[in-house]
Amino acid sequence: SQTIHQWPATLVQPVGSPLSLECTVEGTSNPNLYWYRQAAGRGLQLLFYSVGIGQISSEVPQNLSASRPQDRQFILSSKKLLLSDSGFYLCAWRDRGKFTEAFFGQGTRLTVV
Amino acid sequence: GENVEQHPSTLSVQEGDSAVIKCTYSDSASNYFPWYKQELGKRPQLIIDIRSNVGEKKDQRIAVTLNKTAKHFSLHITETQPEDSAVYFCAGPPSDYKLSFGAGTTVTVRA
Repeated sequence: SQTIHQWPATLVQPVGSPLSLECTVEGTSNPNLYWYRQAAGRGLQLLFYSVGIGQISSEVPQNLSASRPQDRQFILSSKKLLLSDSGFYLCAWRDRGKFTEAFFGQGTRLTVV
Repeated sequence: GENVEQHPSTLSVQEGDSAVIKCTYSDSASNYFPWYKQELGKRPQLIIDIRSNVGEKKDQRIAVTLNKTAKHFSLHITETQPEDSAVYFCAGPPSDYKLSFGAGTTVTVRA
């Protein structure tokens, strides 16, 4: 069966520090991968998606970046965090095709102080 | 994915009553309409979906209806219970790769 791992679960980082959040998927090949951010009480903002190794599409201009060094690994990074980067970050995957369910990781609650 | 408009943003219902959430889309070629539920502090999970070749789909107390002419689809929760309190998201009809969500509806079931 397929599983998705996302870590860490919580993170407190100072302003200006770097960020690296990692997500890995098991039990499937060539998935579509996604990073979302959710501010408190708000919706799911699509940040990045990837259809293959090294292929990253950015939805929102910001000081975040994403990389996909391996088929089932998706990394969200920042060189210098801002206070506004605080939020709940969710990684997700789904199989190719339109009629496919998205599966989410447990999420990372990031607080920038 | 196609952008969708979701309403209402919050919904408070008495336990046992029904709740209805509506999403409107614009791409007439859209053919897949899923709904996700996110409990407090947890990850979103698919609860029901519908394809454009049917007008309604039910799963116990939840149902989704689709009106292709009016370009909207709705989530119906009947006989609401406290465990139905959560945030519900419709997903914009996805392309083969992109997946966006509506703004979400916070449902509170009052005992």
